[in-house]
Amino acid sequence: DVKVTQSSRYLVKRTGEKVFLECVQDMDHENMFWYRQDPGLGLRLIYFSYDVKMKEKGDIPEGYSVSREKKERFSLILESASTNQTSMYLCASSLWRSGNTIYFGEGSWLTVV
Amino acid sequence: EDKVVQSPLSLVVHEGDTVTLNCSYEVTNFRSLLWYKQEKKAPTFLFMLTSSGIEKKSGRLSSILDKKELSSILNITATQTGDSAIYLCAVEDYGGSQGNLIFGKGTKLSVKP
Repeated sequence: DVKVTQSSRYLVKRTGEKVFLECVQDMDHENMFWYRQDPGLGLRLIYFSYDVKMKEKGDIPEGYSVSREKKERFSLILESASTNQTSMYLCASSLWRSGNTIYFGEGSWLTVV
Repeated sequence: EDKVVQSPLSLVVHEGDTVTLNCSYEVTNFRSLLWYKQEKKAPTFLFMLTSSGIEKKSGRLSSILDKKELSSILNITATQTGDSAIYLCAVEDYGGSQGNLIFGKGTKLSVKP
């Protein structure tokens, strides 16, 4: 079974703190994604990566950056957390050009106070 | 701009009812349409549809794609309380060299005993 693991499930951070959300997948997938999910807004793509050290902006990249130093790991970074970044963050992975399903992690609930 | 619209946004039914969830899309380079069920955590895959008119079934759930109408429906018959969830529709947009998923906002289904 494909496993996408988000190491932090629940975090509370202060405004201005730097926040790292880590995601690891174990199926050698080329593509990895970070979404945030908010009530009434659905899933919105923040960044995605289709190869090591490659990244592409999604729909809402402002205030975020990402890092993909190894194929299996995709990190989301909030350089200076703000209260409007309180949300549920979902990591996902998929095969390159698979026309296939995307596999999600369990989600990370971030509260910025 | 590419978009995916789901309706209704929320729905309350009683056990045993049949429900139909709708998903319409406007996407430049359509590749596939996917349905996911999300309970408390990560979305889980239900169906992937690529061809018009071919019904996919899994137990009490079924789905079909209409490429002419740019839409899909998800049917759930004889609903149970365990069907309560957010149902997400996503369209894979195969723009350029990289596929990407565009999500709708989801339909929140509540099934009352």
